[in-house]
Amino acid sequence: GQSLEQPSEVTAVEGAIVQINCTYQTSGFYGLSWYQQHDGGAPTFLSYNALDGLEETGRFSSFLSRSDSYGYLLLQELQMKDSASYFCAVNSGYSTLTFGKGTMLLVSP
Amino acid sequence: DADVTQTPRNRITKTGKRIMLECSQTKGHDRMYWYRQDPGLGLRLIYYSFDVKDINKGEISDGYSVSRQAQAKFSLSLESAIPNQTALYFCATSDTGLAGTDTQYFGPGTRLTVL
Repeated sequence: GQSLEQPSEVTAVEGAIVQINCTYQTSGFYGLSWYQQHDGGAPTFLSYNALDGLEETGRFSSFLSRSDSYGYLLLQELQMKDSASYFCAVNSGYSTLTFGKGTMLLVSP
Repeated sequence: DADVTQTPRNRITKTGKRIMLECSQTKGHDRMYWYRQDPGLGLRLIYYSFDVKDINKGEISDGYSVSRQAQAKFSLSLESAIPNQTALYFCATSDTGLAGTDTQYFGPGTRLTVL
């Protein structure tokens, strides 16, 4: 089977940096993706890691350690609009994604 | 215009009714997916299709069926709706590519309530 663990909720203030962790157990692994979802809206793709290391896209970065079955999403210079749910998702090689249960990020002024 | 559209956006129905949720895409992608989302449970895969003649069950296919009418259209049916199928349903698409690199593009969702 496959399972992903991420915190249910994280809070931070505007301008701060926040890290959302994700650990996974899968029968196969091709890569770890991150998606953002604003309340009731469509999930949107943020980043993807297939290899160990850090991927940076603007204020967002994502890290992967395959040996530790661990990754994280780093959000810098937080803005109010970053308040949303963030999902990690594993592609285990069948071109389908298994999603974590999501982390709700609350950014306060 | 949106690349992935879903109809209806909201639906209230009664237990035992048959209901169909429709998804259309203009992205030209081969792969289409249906997910349901329940509070605190993330997105769970119901069915997926890699081309018109390919249909596969996902994690939670019981009580659901699908039809891939064309490359651009993928419908989800609840043959006899029950209250625990009340959820937010998403359709998604992805392009054929190297395994593991497929980015999925989601529709706006259909909020279904079964009374």
